[in-house]
Amino acid sequence: KAGVTQTPRYLIKTRGQQVTLSCSPISGHRSVSWYQQTPGQGLQFLFEYFSETQRNKGNFPGRFSGRQFSNSRSEMNVSTLELGDSALYLCASSHLIGASTDTQYFGPGTRLTVL
Amino acid sequence: DQQVKQNSPSLSVQEGRISILNCDYTNSMFDYFLWYKKYPAEGPTFLISISSIKDKNEDGRFTVFLNKSAKHLSLHIVPSQPGDSAVYFCAASAYRAGANSKLTFGKGITLSVRP
Repeated sequence: KAGVTQTPRYLIKTRGQQVTLSCSPISGHRSVSWYQQTPGQGLQFLFEYFSETQRNKGNFPGRFSGRQFSNSRSEMNVSTLELGDSALYLCASSHLIGASTDTQYFGPGTRLTVL
Repeated sequence: DQQVKQNSPSLSVQEGRISILNCDYTNSMFDYFLWYKKYPAEGPTFLISISSIKDKNEDGRFTVFLNKSAKHLSLHIVPSQPGDSAVYFCAASAYRAGANSKLTFGKGITLSVRP
């Protein structure tokens, strides 16, 4: 079974631009979560989608948004990029929402650099 | 406020010896805990998890211990192998609070296993 895939793997943008990142979950997984990893803050939860609905949201500004499609694929968008948005963006998928022992499986991430 | 803490940034052990990675948490709502391993340029890989109804879970060379009263968990790797060298993240979620899909991560500990 293929793992979580993320595209693109690397991206360079300039301040003020916007960016869209894509995530394809493991086949059969319906929950997709997004995390931001930076050296200073570690991994921080952005949001989680299940059945095309946002179910949980972390403490990030409204410039960060996402969506999920009917095939469970997900995209996240960052508008008006700032230098501090440079990070590794990780997507994770899991089978169910509400299962206490469900495990999230991560993709390789998209490395975003904002110049 | 860091709810999951991995206070030691690095650990170095000899091959064949035991590696003990520690993690503390402050949020009493956390009831599910996971350990992930991460190599450079890859996403975190799930290692082992434990529910708050247990105090120990074992999977091959990996054992996780949970001490709820101390809000402390530890990952034991026995015997340690050079291939275990990676960054290890402790993560927690709050299933009963309805936020099981939101993982809160520690900042990670870099394990180096010397041949």
